[in-house]
Amino acid sequence: RKEVEQDPGPFNVPEGATVAFNCTYSNSASQSFFWYRQDCRKEPKLLMSVYSSGNEDGRFTAQLNRASQYISLLIRDSKLSDSATYLCVVNKGNYGQNFVFGPGTRLSVLP
Amino acid sequence: DAMVIQNPRYQVTQFGKPVTLSCSQTLNHNVMYWYQQKSSQAPKLLFHYYDKDFNNEADTPDNFQSRRPNTSFCFLDIRSPGLGDAAMYLCATSRGVGGPADTQYFGPGTRLTVL
Repeated sequence: RKEVEQDPGPFNVPEGATVAFNCTYSNSASQSFFWYRQDCRKEPKLLMSVYSSGNEDGRFTAQLNRASQYISLLIRDSKLSDSATYLCVVNKGNYGQNFVFGPGTRLSVLP
Repeated sequence: DAMVIQNPRYQVTQFGKPVTLSCSQTLNHNVMYWYQQKSSQAPKLLFHYYDKDFNNEADTPDNFQSRRPNTSFCFLDIRSPGLGDAAMYLCATSRGVGGPADTQYFGPGTRLTVL
């Protein structure tokens, strides 16, 4: 079993749709959690950290369920510019040095 | 202003010819990482430095070496590149203190082509 697993995708959605991505992790000792986005042939960029209480940033909402070892990302009112690969990242190190990437889920927002 | 800089952005080398990729940071972060990313795959961690402490991933081939002469710079040496080493190589940094605020910052990557 992979340490971090994500919905296989790709997701093709129309503009304005709401889309949800799921991620599970296997190491219960994991400390912190993140969503990154990566555009084609570019580097990953932080979208948002995921806090235990859940957090929202504009159209994006992240949730963490430690008991189920599950992280989610919700994108509301999808824009064409949201088209990218979304990477779930888990840090299992006490000193923030063991980042493990999920395989990513590709999103295409269609006009 | 770029905080993690990688040079060169594109590197072409011949099969078996050693190559060195460079990364520098202006963030004064403790941790520097090297990832290999192939098409349609997630970044794969090769190794990282916590300050001067080198940490190699178990499955990183011996063909890949790294040096961190000071806080700001880190190098990736590929001693004898094979065709399978063609990929994007990403350098990243983090503070190394843990927690949700301790995120990774990536450089733009170096795309390596092996002929």
